[in-house]
Amino acid sequence: DAGVIQSPRHEVTEMGQEVTLRCKPISGHDYLFWYRQTMMRGLELLIYFNNNVPIDDSGMPEDRFSAKMPNASFSTLKIQPSEPRDSAVYFCASSLAGSYNEQFFGPGTRLTVL
Amino acid sequence: GDSVTQMEGPVTLSEEAFLTINCTYTATGYPSLFWYVQYPGEGLQLLLKATKADDKGSNKGFEATYRKETTSFHLEKGSVQVSDSAVYFCALSAYQGGKLIFGQGTELSVKP
Repeated sequence: DAGVIQSPRHEVTEMGQEVTLRCKPISGHDYLFWYRQTMMRGLELLIYFNNNVPIDDSGMPEDRFSAKMPNASFSTLKIQPSEPRDSAVYFCASSLAGSYNEQFFGPGTRLTVL
Repeated sequence: GDSVTQMEGPVTLSEEAFLTINCTYTATGYPSLFWYVQYPGEGLQLLLKATKADDKGSNKGFEATYRKETTSFHLEKGSVQVSDSAVYFCALSAYQGGKLIFGQGTELSVKP
């Protein structure tokens, strides 16, 4: 059974460019989470969805960041315009209601903004 | 608000040494508690969990007991291996269907 799938695994872009990160959660999971991990700030929750609806986006750093979940099997995190301080590893995770919130993480997307 | 505090790392041990990573929490109600592990270059994966007081979670030789009286969930292993080198995260979920609250992570390095 496939786990959480993220693409791309690595992304290098220049400051000012638009970046789109993609996530496919585990089939049947109804929660989806986006995290960012850096050495300085550790693991941060950016936003999470329940049944494709955003529940808490208080961790989204600023208006340059946006996330969507058009259906149960796909989500995107977009940064426009990107800045060097956005360089980080971005993780997507999914979970199933009633499972004590056990989350399954994807392998992450390493983003470098030059 | 709810929070998780872990001992600071890095923790450096020799192979076969005993491991303890301390974790304490603050939460209203009766949270579920987790330990996640992150190996280099990978995402986090669940190591063990406990859903009620006095439960012991265990996996791959690691154990942690949910202590409500001390609000703790310390991770232990009797004999660590080089392959246990990773970052360990303690986490709680305060209610069903919500987010996890993570600690800051503790890096473990095991030397041969």
